[in-house]
Amino acid sequence: EVQLVESGGDLVQPGGSLRLSCSASGFTFSTYSMHWVRQAPGKGLETISAITDDGGGTYYADPAKGRFIISRDNSKNTLYLQMSSLRAEDTAVYYCARRGSSDYYNDYWGQGILVTVNS
Amino acid sequence: EIVMTQSPATLSVSPGERATLSCRASQNVNTRVAWYHQKPGQAPRLLVHGASTRATGIPARFSGSGSGTEFTLTISSLQSEDFAVYYCQQYTGWPPAFGPGTKVEIK
Repeated sequence: EVQLVESGGDLVQPGGSLRLSCSASGFTFSTYSMHWVRQAPGKGLETISAITDDGGGTYYADPAKGRFIISRDNSKNTLYLQMSSLRAEDTAVYYCARRGSSDYYNDYWGQGILVTVNS
Repeated sequence: EIVMTQSPATLSVSPGERATLSCRASQNVNTRVAWYHQKPGQAPRLLVHGASTRATGIPARFSGSGSGTEFTLTISSLQSEDFAVYYCQQYTGWPPAFGPGTKVEIK
């Protein structure tokens, strides 16, 4: 069974930093690209970053460029999102999601982790 | 950047009735559209990809259609577990973009 479990969410002050982790199991992690998708309270879904299966390619949506870094450790089956210079508008539930087997939709999602940016 | 729109914003349907949800892309995305639903407090769940291919374990009452810029998700006979928010997503361009969602509520 595919499982994705996020951790690391917290309350952080504006300008602060946080690292999210996503532990994967039930599939061969090293063969799948992975995404981070976030959802602000009461709002829709926003893909913010992606990484190729070997970690050699990383992609960022505009809100994440220059502030967030996506990475992975295939030996630990873990995906990361290092977030810095956090703003109130980064407050959201952050989901890790697996790229689909045939294209860039998301076929499995974690349960999500809440990040709150507030002084 | 490709923008996705969905209509209606809210759809009130009685159990057992048919529901038709629409999604439009701001430019041609071929058939690279997925549909998800999300229940309160839960993660989204993939229903359809490639505009019309049901994901693993998704019942046949869910069907997707369309290509280019116009897409439809049809739920043939709504069950109690289908009341949720439905999102379409294009994945032909970066970033993969979601529509704002359609809430399907009990009439």
